[in-house]
Amino acid sequence: DIQMTQSPSTLSASVGDRVTITCRASQRVGDWLAWYQQTPGKAPKVLIYKASSLQNGVPSRFSGSGSGTEFTLTISSLQPDDFATYYCQQYNSYPWAFGQGTKVEIK
Amino acid sequence: QVQLVESGGGVVQPGGSLRLSCAASEFSFSTYAMHWVRQAPGRGLEWMAVISFQGTNKYYAESVEGRFTISRDNSKNTLYLQMNSLRPEDTAVYYCGRDWGKHGSGPLDVWGQGTTVTVSS
Repeated sequence: DIQMTQSPSTLSASVGDRVTITCRASQRVGDWLAWYQQTPGKAPKVLIYKASSLQNGVPSRFSGSGSGTEFTLTISSLQPDDFATYYCQQYNSYPWAFGQGTKVEIK
Repeated sequence: QVQLVESGGGVVQPGGSLRLSCAASEFSFSTYAMHWVRQAPGRGLEWMAVISFQGTNKYYAESVEGRFTISRDNSKNTLYLQMNSLRPEDTAVYYCGRDWGKHGSGPLDVWGQGTTVTVSS
């Protein structure tokens, strides 16, 4: 089974900061990688699919890159609504796997 | 608008059973694969199971294989998760999610609000 590892687990940042989250897969997943955002008490929301494609309605400050085993999610200028937990997820093969999450906190 | 609404959660004793439902509305349910994903208290997301658009193909996480069964009734626009032999570690919020395609090629673009399952004596 494929394992997904995110870093860091927690990130403290300020409004306006550029933020980068890394996700590593234990096996190659091509570009079958999605990023989700989850705020407390809410369901996750997909931000990025196919590693770098922005989901409709998601602000352009979010971007994704990578392929194979190394992926990144970047928020170019952190906004108050962006303080949340972010998960990567591979959908290259079953069983699907999520990363353990990265919590973006207010500094 | 496009919506998924889970129900059926509750408190159950270890070894017990529970059936979750996920009612879909405002989209053509029968043309999408569907998934269950859970989240234990204070933990991350864990993918559970997928069923293809016609119910022909199903896959499960190893942690629930043989205990949980995913099914769907396209005439009722409803997804199910039958959970048997429940364990305390199955305690979680259970989400249903819509796959992008018919066969489970991902990702999940619509999620329900979740239903809480607590396994405790």
